[in-house]
Amino acid sequence: DTGVSQNPRHKITKRGQNVTFRCDPISEHNRLYWYRQTLGQGPEFLTYFQNEAQLEKSRLLSDRFSAERPKGSFSTLEIQRTEQGDSAMYLCASSVQGSFDGYTFGSGTRLTVV
Amino acid sequence: KQEVTQIPAALSVPEGENLVLNCSFTDSAIYNLQWFRQDPGKGLTSLLLIQSSQREQTSGRLNASLDKSSGRSTLYIAASQPGDSATYLCAVKGGGADGLTFGKGTHLIIQP
Repeated sequence: DTGVSQNPRHKITKRGQNVTFRCDPISEHNRLYWYRQTLGQGPEFLTYFQNEAQLEKSRLLSDRFSAERPKGSFSTLEIQRTEQGDSAMYLCASSVQGSFDGYTFGSGTRLTVV
Repeated sequence: KQEVTQIPAALSVPEGENLVLNCSFTDSAIYNLQWFRQDPGKGLTSLLLIQSSQREQTSGRLNASLDKSSGRSTLYIAASQPGDSATYLCAVKGGGADGLTFGKGTHLIIQP
């Protein structure tokens, strides 16, 4: 296991289209997080899962956004009816509940909505 | 609501200099603080993690300190190299929340 994997690395889509991103966390990590980062800003928390349960959602996560982690392993983040304001880097991270270790981040998916 | 501020926003120094990046946070009830490095267009690489009960952590030329009561952390980089050029992000994990709160980062350029 070489770390947190995110696919695709880049996605260009037309406004109004739906997009889906995938994150594969470190296999023994039971917590998975999604963050969004716009240019010149730090990442902002979107949501997190403990195993397959989605335990917290930021108010940034509008009803056009949905995240799943069906079997407690990989996760998907879907954005419906994309808007230009959705253009950002979407980062996934994983960690172990209760561990003193920090978060491990993936390389992110860069979304451009045209 | 936790807020994290990083100063300076940008820094350019000649190679070989020692430098300090600053991070402050408004709510001292944190679980830990983590420093990350981000190269342009890339994800985050964890550099150092300091638990709330610790005062500092060291890794190679990097040393991070934490003063939880005053809401401050510093990242010290010794003998800087051009390869250290990147954006450095500070993030805190709150005692009650599970997400990280990030600062906007310090964009560091080391001149050869």
